Amino acid sequence: EIVLTQSPGTLSLSPGERATLSCRASQSVSSSYLAWYQHKPGQAPRLLIYVASSRATDIPDRFSGSGSGTDFTLTISRLEPEDFAVYYCQQFGSSPPTFGGGTKVEIK
Amino acid sequence: EVQLVESGGGLVQPGRSLRLSCVASGFIFEDYAMHWVRQVPGKGLEWVSFISWNSNRIDYADSVKGRFTISRDNAKNSLYLQMNSLRPEDSALYYCAKPLHSGWEVFDYWGQGTLVTVSS
Repeated sequence: EIVLTQSPGTLSLSPGERATLSCRASQSVSSSYLAWYQHKPGQAPRLLIYVASSRATDIPDRFSGSGSGTDFTLTISRLEPEDFAVYYCQQFGSSPPTFGGGTKVEIK
Repeated sequence: EVQLVESGGGLVQPGRSLRLSCVASGFIFEDYAMHWVRQVPGKGLEWVSFISWNSNRIDYADSVKGRFTISRDNAKNSLYLQMNSLRPEDSALYYCAKPLHSGWEVFDYWGQGTLVTVSS
């Protein structure tokens, strides 16, 4: 199975700053079938990005995804207070679908 | 509005069984495959199982294969997960999840989850 490694584990930033989250795959992700989710305590995960760079419905354009092959990036251009959360990447190009360990974006 | 509501979680002893349910609304349930995903508290997400729209295709994570059984009842807009021979490492918050497209394993709607605790 494809192992996804997210870095950093924790990102300490201030509102208005730019956040850059990394997701590295142990092997190439087929067709860039990679997604990003936002997860807040007590809430269901929220799909942000799929097929590496397509924004899901109602996701603000400050969220963007890029990458291919084994290296993918989620960028939040200017952090809003509601963006502080844990972010997971997930590949769905190979079975079984797998998730990264998460990056926590916390308020500095 | 899409809603997924899980139930059936609880505290159970190792080796015992539990059946989770998920009731869906706000979309045409029979048009979509459905999935279960779990999260150990404080840890990451793990895909557990998949069932096609007509139950013809089913798949499981290796960690639960042979112990868990997924099923669905399209007439009741319901998804199930029968969990047998439970182990402490099965303790987690179990989510049912709807895929963005039926053929994709990327999830645009999730329930709030039902907590399973396996402990003596």
